[in-house]
Amino acid sequence: GQNIDQPTEMTATEGAIVQINCTYQTSGFNGLFWYQQHAGEAPTFLSYNVLDGLEEKGRFSSFLSRSKGYSYLLLKELQMKDSASYLCAVRGTSSGGYQKVTFGTGTKLQVIP
Amino acid sequence: DSGVTQTPKHLITATGQRVTLRCSPRSGDLSVYWYQQSLDQGLQFLIQYYNGEERAKGNILERFSAQQFPDLHSELNLSSLELGDSALYFCASSGGDHRYEQYFGPGTRLTVT
Repeated sequence: GQNIDQPTEMTATEGAIVQINCTYQTSGFNGLFWYQQHAGEAPTFLSYNVLDGLEEKGRFSSFLSRSKGYSYLLLKELQMKDSASYLCAVRGTSSGGYQKVTFGTGTKLQVIP
Repeated sequence: DSGVTQTPKHLITATGQRVTLRCSPRSGDLSVYWYQQSLDQGLQFLIQYYNGEERAKGNILERFSAQQFPDLHSELNLSSLELGDSALYFCASSGGDHRYEQYFGPGTRLTVT
């Protein structure tokens, strides 16, 4: 099966940097995703990591260590609009042998002035 | 705009009733996923279809069923509705040029009274 763990809530200050961690266990790992979800809205895709290392995309970066089953999402120069839930999702192999994506419960980030 | 459409946007119905939620994936996407998200809860994966065939099943109740049609649109049928079925139901699609990340529709908010 697949198991994903991330903190429930975090608070950070506008203009600062915040790191949201995600640990996972899965069979047949084939990629890790980060999504942003504002309250009452649909999740939107942020990043995808399948190899170890850091992927940078503007103010957002995502890191993956496959050997440790660990990823983090780094948000720089925080803005008030970054207040949202951040979902870690892992792609692996289901019991039926197909590719399956499992979402974590999300980390609710509050950015304060 | 993700390119995924869902109808209706809102649905209010009574306990014991049956409803159908509809989803049209992004052009070229072959996979459709259904998720349930209750208030302040994480995304619960229900079911996935790939090119008309069921590919993976999550925590979907027996009262719920889904199908994907030859034109790739999908429907989620919810029957014998209970108060606890009130939630946001998201459809997502993947495949095509960017085959790994999922693109979410705006969701259908179901309220069971």
